[in-house]
Amino acid sequence: AQSVTQLDSQVPVFEEAPVELRCNYSSSVSVYLFWYVQYPNQGLQLLLKYLSGSTLVKGINGFEAEFNKSQTSFHLRKPSVHISDTAEYFCAVSEMNDYKLSFGAGTTVTVRA
Amino acid sequence: DAGVIQSPRHEVTEMGQEVTLRCKPISGHNSLFWYRQTMMRGLELLIYFNNNVPIDDSGMPEDRFSAKMPNASFSTLKIQPSEPRDSAVYFCASSLGQGINGYTFGSGTRLTVV
Repeated sequence: AQSVTQLDSQVPVFEEAPVELRCNYSSSVSVYLFWYVQYPNQGLQLLLKYLSGSTLVKGINGFEAEFNKSQTSFHLRKPSVHISDTAEYFCAVSEMNDYKLSFGAGTTVTVRA
Repeated sequence: DAGVIQSPRHEVTEMGQEVTLRCKPISGHNSLFWYRQTMMRGLELLIYFNNNVPIDDSGMPEDRFSAKMPNASFSTLKIQPSEPRDSAVYFCASSLGQGINGYTFGSGTRLTVV
């Protein structure tokens, strides 16, 4: 069965600074990888996904993530954050040909002026 | 499309009462998921439907929980009787097929059992 570990529970960052959120996964088969964002009192919204092909994936709101198979990682980055990026971010993994999406515990990003 | 629609947005009920949460998936999506989110346990998959049929209910915590999907456009999650430890945010999500494109989540129902 697959599992996801998000290495940072909280990440404080100043506005216009870069941010990186770390995600490692465990699976014995090929996987699909996702990052979701949850703004306060809202549902989860898909930021980006890796299915196959290029290991650098670009998503909405200027976010990107890089799939590293040898390190079983899928870290999320943004070169310059805004106050509006304050939210909780979830990494998720799904094994190919499986319906189940397993989520990490989440990383809370707080952007300060 | 209006997205995944959940109702109510907030529910406060007394211990022992029956609670019914509702979900309308995106039209055309054939997979539906119920998740529960708490501070202690994060996001937990409760049950998964495919083509209106329950496929995996191993995440349903107890017999007090039940879920139905009578048709492709409606699902309910019922808790009877409710307990304070059921307090959480319950999300419904839908997808097309195996979820290769990711899930679309509703805005959730915040349940408080007092």
